[in-house]
Amino acid sequence: DVKVTQSSRYLVKRTGEKVFLECVQDMDHENMFWYRQDPGLGLRLIYFSYDVKMKEKGDIPEGYSVSREKKERFSLILESASTNQTSMYLCASSHTNRDRKETQYFGPGTRLLVL
Amino acid sequence: GNSVTQMEGPVTLSEEAFLTINCTYTATGYPSLFWYVQYPGEGLQLLLKATKADDKGSNKGFEATYRKETTSFHLEKGSVQVSDSAVYFCALSDLGGRGSTLGRLYFGRGTQLTVWP
Repeated sequence: DVKVTQSSRYLVKRTGEKVFLECVQDMDHENMFWYRQDPGLGLRLIYFSYDVKMKEKGDIPEGYSVSREKKERFSLILESASTNQTSMYLCASSHTNRDRKETQYFGPGTRLLVL
Repeated sequence: GNSVTQMEGPVTLSEEAFLTINCTYTATGYPSLFWYVQYPGEGLQLLLKATKADDKGSNKGFEATYRKETTSFHLEKGSVQVSDSAVYFCALSDLGGRGSTLGRLYFGRGTQLTVWP
């Protein structure tokens, strides 16, 4: 079974702090994704990566950055946390198919509260 | 562009009732379609998928048929259980926009289902 793990289930940070959210997958997947989930808005894509050291902006990249130094690990960084970044953050990974229509596998999520 | 619209919730049903959650999509290409489920306090799990027109995805008593003519992928279950209470997300997988060659998922906003005993 595919396993995607996230470093924390719950996190409380102060405004202005630098926050790191870590995601690790154990299935040698090429692609990894970061989403945020908010009530009434569903899932919104922040960033994704299709290879080590490669990244692409999603729909809402502002205020975030990412790092992919190893294939199995994808980090989301909030350079200076703000209260409007309080949310549930979900990581996902997928294997590259020929038609690029891959199934994504999700981690359990990190619920971040910024005070 | 690519987008997914699913019926707004919450949906509240009694145990053994019939469930339908509507989902329609707009796509520039020929997407694959998915239903994901999120149980309380957990991440998303793949429930079922269909990769081409007229395919039917099924799992755990849930079914959805890929209807290209109506651009729909409605989720159905004949008899729901209390354990089916969760948030259900419809999604499509296609190439990203703006000439991208990378695949990504586009999600609906989710439908909360509560089943009472």
